[in-house]
Amino acid sequence: IAGITQAPTSQILAAGRRMTLRCTQDMRHNAMYWYRQDLGLGLRLIHYSNTAGTTGKGEVPDGYSVSRANTDDFPLTLASAVPSQTSVYFCASRGRGDEKLFFGSGTQLSVL
Amino acid sequence: TQLLEQSPQFLSIQEGENLTVYCNSSSVFSSLQWYRQEPGEGPVLLVTVVTGGEVKKLKRLTFQFGDARKDSSLHITAAQTGDTGLYLCAGGRGNKLVFGAGTILRVKS
Repeated sequence: IAGITQAPTSQILAAGRRMTLRCTQDMRHNAMYWYRQDLGLGLRLIHYSNTAGTTGKGEVPDGYSVSRANTDDFPLTLASAVPSQTSVYFCASRGRGDEKLFFGSGTQLSVL
Repeated sequence: TQLLEQSPQFLSIQEGENLTVYCNSSSVFSSLQWYRQEPGEGPVLLVTVVTGGEVKKLKRLTFQFGDARKDSSLHITAAQTGDTGLYLCAGGRGNKLVFGAGTILRVKS
């Protein structure tokens, strides 16, 4: 089934640990995005990639890094997790010339 | 401060009632999208409006883009329990989307 796959679905993490959230899409979309969703704040853009090999910072990039080695994969890494990074993380993609964002089902991350 | 302000934040109504959700900004957007999100899932696009003054209808849902392309509204006629969810508006800024905080809609039977 075409779409976006995120893993893990949920994770509890000790503060200070490193964590990578995985995102894979099979729609050959050029652009990919990472958002975090917090109650009352909506979806905030962390990092994005317009095409393989390029990345850019969003609204709340601090404490996060991304890479885009190929079209399909866009992992998000927390180098040293902090409790304020507790959130639901969504990966999304968009095809060239398309306004529509396709979202994954999210990763619920709790940093203790 | 949110670039896109949605109101109300929460709405609880009876099945069959009508409702309107608003999305306002002081900024101009190239397009305005509405998404619906259910618990445990990612948002799903409902509609995109791109022209000032544009009105789009999707069954019982009517979407309007303001003339100045700074605001939008979503009107639901005769709400059903299946309409329950989080409604998000998102404004187009180049190749990125800026999201509002959302309106939680609960339709009671």
